[in-house]
Amino acid sequence: GAGVSQSPSNKVTEKGKDVELRCDPISGHTALYWYRQRLGQGLEFLIYFQGNSAPDKSGLPSDRFSAERTGESVSTLTIQRTQQEDSAVYLCASSLVWARGTQYFGPGTRLLVL
Amino acid sequence: DQQVKQNSPSLSVQEGRISILNCDYTNSMFDYFLWYKKYPAEGPTFLISISSIKDKNEDGRFTVFLNKSAKHLSLHIVPSQPGDSAVYFCAASGGNQFYFGTGTSLTVIP
Repeated sequence: GAGVSQSPSNKVTEKGKDVELRCDPISGHTALYWYRQRLGQGLEFLIYFQGNSAPDKSGLPSDRFSAERTGESVSTLTIQRTQQEDSAVYLCASSLVWARGTQYFGPGTRLLVL
Repeated sequence: DQQVKQNSPSLSVQEGRISILNCDYTNSMFDYFLWYKKYPAEGPTFLISISSIKDKNEDGRFTVFLNKSAKHLSLHIVPSQPGDSAVYFCAASGGNQFYFGTGTSLTVIP
């Protein structure tokens, strides 16, 4: 079956521009997660969605970051007024059950802010 | 503050030998632990997990050990194969918290 997909796979943008990253989770997975991995660093938890509950935004690094999810489907991560330190791989994952379920990761979006 | 730590950024092992990857955590509320493997340009893939009610879980060549008193877990790969060369992340969860370590890059030398 189809796994988690993310688009675009690569994005180069200029400092100050807004970017939107998309994640299509595995069908039927109620939980969806966004992570960031900067060069040479580990996975940094950003935000998660569980069913129709309000998302936990505590991991978002600044108010320039926001994310939305429609029901149990597609999610978008938006970064406004991008900065060079936003350059990273942004990974999306989904799971059947929050936390206890194995997370299935997408291939990531490589964002480069010039 | 890093709540899950992998203190060895890299590890090299001869093919056929045992690979031991270590992970330490600070939060005693964590009760479920996972290991993920990541190849370059791909997302992490689930490898093996363990609940805090156990101290060992085995799946083929992969075994995860959990020492709750030391807040330490380890992943053993026996025998190591060149295809095991990847970055390995440990992860921990408890309640609504979920944290990954910084990863250990394993190289298995043929």
